[in-house]
Amino acid sequence: DGGITQSPKYLFRKEGQNVTLSCEQNLNHDAMYWYRQDPGQGLRLIYYSQIVNDFQKGDIAEGYSVSREKKESFPLTVTSAQKNPTAFYLCATEQGRDEKLFFGSGTQLSVL
Amino acid sequence: QKEVEQDPGPLSVPEGAIVSLNCTYSNSAFQYFMWYRQYSRKGPELLMYTYSSGNKEDGRFTAQVDKSSKYISLFIRDSQPSDSATYLCAMLLVSGDNDMRFGAGTRLTVKP
Repeated sequence: DGGITQSPKYLFRKEGQNVTLSCEQNLNHDAMYWYRQDPGQGLRLIYYSQIVNDFQKGDIAEGYSVSREKKESFPLTVTSAQKNPTAFYLCATEQGRDEKLFFGSGTQLSVL
Repeated sequence: QKEVEQDPGPLSVPEGAIVSLNCTYSNSAFQYFMWYRQYSRKGPELLMYTYSSGNKEDGRFTAQVDKSSKYISLFIRDSQPSDSATYLCAMLLVSGDNDMRFGAGTRLTVKP
């Protein structure tokens, strides 16, 4: 947590709807990440960004989109193309290249 | 075969017990190894970090890496109820790699 704010804490998505998860950080970290956590599975990388206006796909980017217009912000949009969006979504930051991730408190997304 | 295997538990121990948590991995190129602790519905927090074979101690926690066996462990001495959480192992191939691989997590309960 501390310095990384994810909102909302709980989010519900209707069929065919796009939803956006917010991630804001005040740690002045360059790199930001989005992970998806499902029960019984390890965290899986969706997208990451090392600098403003640049981002890369992770292992499971299909059905998701991101933007990085500001260093502090890295919102994740779950599009209607993501057919199984119910999961716990975690945003993380990394200072430089020290391999240590700092995580936000997560957003639980559920489908109505 | 998953790259990182971790027994999901659940694991239940009495207060004061020594806890052993383990992960195995298939890719011998992993060099950096981490343990994260995650309380329920919170983001993971970094607990231990190591990049060499052998033991690393921090208070009641000891991280052990055996690269020849592709096996890592986290030991918790004098376990406390506050240690009740899910413990995730994680590893990286190289410094600066943005794709950290996580185990599924082991859920630990320490009973008073």
